[in-house]
Amino acid sequence: AQSVAQPEDQVNVAEGNPLTVKCTYSVSGNPYLFWYVQYPNRGLQFLLKYITGDNLVKGSYGFEAEFNKSQTSFHLKKPSALVSDSALYFCAVRDGSSASKIIFGSGTRLSIRP
Amino acid sequence: DAGVIQSPRHEVTEMGQEVTLRCKPISGHNSLFWYRQTMMRGLELLIYFNNNVPIDDSGMPEDRFSAKMPNASFSTLKIQPSEPRDSAVYFCASSLRQGANSPLHFGNGTRLTVT
Repeated sequence: AQSVAQPEDQVNVAEGNPLTVKCTYSVSGNPYLFWYVQYPNRGLQFLLKYITGDNLVKGSYGFEAEFNKSQTSFHLKKPSALVSDSALYFCAVRDGSSASKIIFGSGTRLSIRP
Repeated sequence: DAGVIQSPRHEVTEMGQEVTLRCKPISGHNSLFWYRQTMMRGLELLIYFNNNVPIDDSGMPEDRFSAKMPNASFSTLKIQPSEPRDSAVYFCASSLRQGANSPLHFGNGTRLTVT
């Protein structure tokens, strides 16, 4: 069975500092990995995905994520945080070798202080 | 592109009443998903459709919940009778096709409150 874990409920970062939101996953086949962001009273918005190829994936709003197969991780990163990055972030995984459903993590609330 | 459209945005009802949530997916998308979000349980997949056919409804909590997709541009999620523990935000999402790596596009959700 596939699963995804976001070990941090909340991450606090000062504006201008780099940020990392952690995600680890478990699938039986090749993973398809996604990051989504949710702002208050809105649905989730797609940020980026890893399917194959380069382990460093670049996405929207300056975010990037690094796929690490040996550590089964897909951490979300940004070199310089903005106050407007404050939101709820979800990691998601799907087993690419089968027609499986997408499983979301529990979410990490990112708070950027001015 | 208007995105995924859900209605109503807010629904307040009394226990025992029937509730119907509606979703219009993005045109051309042939996979549709219903999720429920609560503080306690996070984001839960309730059911998803491919080409209007339900594929996996194992996440539907009880027989009180039912979902339909009569055509490619419309889906409903019905709760009958509703209970206070059904209070949550219900999201509909669509994607280009379920069997590939297409990301999901979410609507803005329906906030359901059952008193």
